[in-house]
Amino acid sequence: EVQLVESGGGLVQPGGSLRLSCAASGFTFSSYEMNWVRQAPGKGLEWVSYISSSGSTIYYADSVKGRFTISRDNAKNSLYLQMNSLRAEDTAVYYCARGAVNFDYWGQGTLVTVSS
Amino acid sequence: QSVLTQPPSVSAAPGQKVTISCSGSSSNIGNNYVSWYQQLPGTAPKLLIYDNNKRPSGIPDRFSGSKSGTSATLGITGLQTGDEADYYCGTWDSSLSAGLVFGGGTKLTVL
Repeated sequence: EVQLVESGGGLVQPGGSLRLSCAASGFTFSSYEMNWVRQAPGKGLEWVSYISSSGSTIYYADSVKGRFTISRDNAKNSLYLQMNSLRAEDTAVYYCARGAVNFDYWGQGTLVTVSS
Repeated sequence: QSVLTQPPSVSAAPGQKVTISCSGSSSNIGNNYVSWYQQLPGTAPKLLIYDNNKRPSGIPDRFSGSKSGTSATLGITGLQTGDEADYYCGTWDSSLSAGLVFGGGTKLTVL
């Protein structure tokens, strides 16, 4: 059974940093492209970042470019999102999702709250 | 303001049919495949339709997708109360700020 489990969310002050993790199981993680997608409270979905299966190709949404860094460790079946210079508008549930442009599996999400 | 435009809400009675539109441009829908996602309250999104009109295993054929030009449509027939959810379209955008884009979401109410 495919499983994606996010962790690392929490309350952080504006300007602070947080590292999210996504533990994958039930499939050959190293063969799949992965993404981070977020959803602010009561709002719609916003794509955040993409990483290819090898990690060689990465894309970011303009809203996080220069502040967030996506990475993966295929040996540990894990996806990461390093978030720096956090702003109030980054408050959201962050999901990891499998796929290139069709996201066929999603984690349950982890809540990041940026507030003083 | 989302790159893809969806109606904020639609409604229909149980057993009826509803369609949800998703409007974009040549840099996204016009030249890329469209996916549709269902998000039930308090849960993660679920892939309903991919590559414009294909259904993943386990998705009933009550759900269908189509694309024409720079617009896409999700159709749901035989509406059930369990279909009440938010629905999102998504596709790749090949403009200067390349990336995946979602519609703003449509809340389906089954009356």
